[in-house]
Amino acid sequence: NAGVMQNPRHLVRRRGQEARLRCSPMKGHSHVYWYRQLPEEGLKFMVYLQKENIIDESGMPKERFSAEFPKEGPSILRIQQVVRGDSAAYFCASSRDSYEQYFGPGTRLTVT
Amino acid sequence: AQRVTQPEKLLSVFKGAPVELKCNYSYSGSPELFWYVQYSRQRLQLLLRHISRESIKGFTADLNKGETSFHLKKPFAQEEDSAMYYCALSGGQGGSEKLVFGKGTKLTVNP
Repeated sequence: NAGVMQNPRHLVRRRGQEARLRCSPMKGHSHVYWYRQLPEEGLKFMVYLQKENIIDESGMPKERFSAEFPKEGPSILRIQQVVRGDSAAYFCASSRDSYEQYFGPGTRLTVT
Repeated sequence: AQRVTQPEKLLSVFKGAPVELKCNYSYSGSPELFWYVQYSRQRLQLLLRHISRESIKGFTADLNKGETSFHLKKPFAQEEDSAMYYCALSGGQGGSEKLVFGKGTKLTVNP
């Protein structure tokens, strides 16, 4: 089992562009969580998804951010019209039955 | 509001010395508490959780509901324990098991 995969590991975008972050959960895991870590901060919950459903998006900014976890393929965190304040590390975690969460290596987004 | 506080940003000890990483939490209800560790250039991984009451790599943590604390302890620190340690709680509404993290403590164990 390769573990949770995230790509790209590093992403640079100019202000106003779109950022797409991908997360492939561990085999057999149907729960996916996205967290964001700003510099000098802890990880902050953004969204929790199960296959084709958003379960909890209480941590997602109301605008520009969206997430999906389709029946086939990875989970996608999409940030439209990025701003400098979106620069952060974005971590994905997966679990089999909302028990232990296994984390990916993260995607470091830099907005220039 | 759910909140996890790790008062020490940095902690430095010598090899063989006892170490305690502090964690306090705020939560109305019965949360589940965790310690996660991130070694250099590695991903975040679960170290221990309070319900399992295990000792992992010599670390233990006891949930004190009266003091709302979940401090991580090890009697004799090793150099390989140097890492970032995050305390986290779970207990979201609506069945979501989202984690609420503290800001982390960077532990350095000196030879």
